[in-house]
Amino acid sequence: EPEVTQTPSHQVTQMGQEVILRCVPISNHLYFYWYRQILGQKVEFLVSFYNNEISEKSEIFDDQFSVERPDGSNFTLKIRSTKLEDSAMYFCASGSDVSYEQYFGPGTRLTVT
Amino acid sequence: AQSVTQLGSHVSVSEGALVLLRCNYSSSVPPYLFWYVQYPNQGLQLLLKYTSAATLVKGINGFEAEFKKSETSFHLTKPSAHMSDAAEYFCAVSDSGGYQKVTFGIGTKLQVIP
Repeated sequence: EPEVTQTPSHQVTQMGQEVILRCVPISNHLYFYWYRQILGQKVEFLVSFYNNEISEKSEIFDDQFSVERPDGSNFTLKIRSTKLEDSAMYFCASGSDVSYEQYFGPGTRLTVT
Repeated sequence: AQSVTQLGSHVSVSEGALVLLRCNYSSSVPPYLFWYVQYPNQGLQLLLKYTSAATLVKGINGFEAEFKKSETSFHLTKPSAHMSDAAEYFCAVSDSGGYQKVTFGIGTKLQVIP
């Protein structure tokens, strides 16, 4: 069964460093999303991406964040200058134009020290 | 703005007992509703979804949920709990008619007691 994959599974970085989280959505999906879950809190929407542009973003998704689909398979989330409060589990999701559901990847745990 | 409220951050049931996890939603437009499950150190797995078809929705692992518009509820049930059901369950809502963002509830941790 097709699935969303994410790399790395765990990333440790120092405050102020740039990180890139990578996702490979399901191959025929057209809609892509990033969410995050701070430990002990609920899953929060960050951004959605369709047709090579951002379709919606939350207040969390400020200028420090960017997304890119550099080729036909990868979808990345970049944080330019990480803060301690960026420590969270980041989930990528993708969706098709057939079923109204989003398929989530296993997540990348980002720890900022 | 959409939101979901999950009543009870922790629920404990005995193995074999009924599982009932409560969710109420708020939406200004007809919603799509979802239940996701998260096992420890794993991602989010879709249990079931309501997308304006049948109000009683059956999902994986014997779970089902009923959409009740009059009560703005979408409670998750399972007749008989199994030890493997121990996990965190998230109710979620999105706008219908498109591929909108999903708004999650705070989650309910289900403990199954042998």
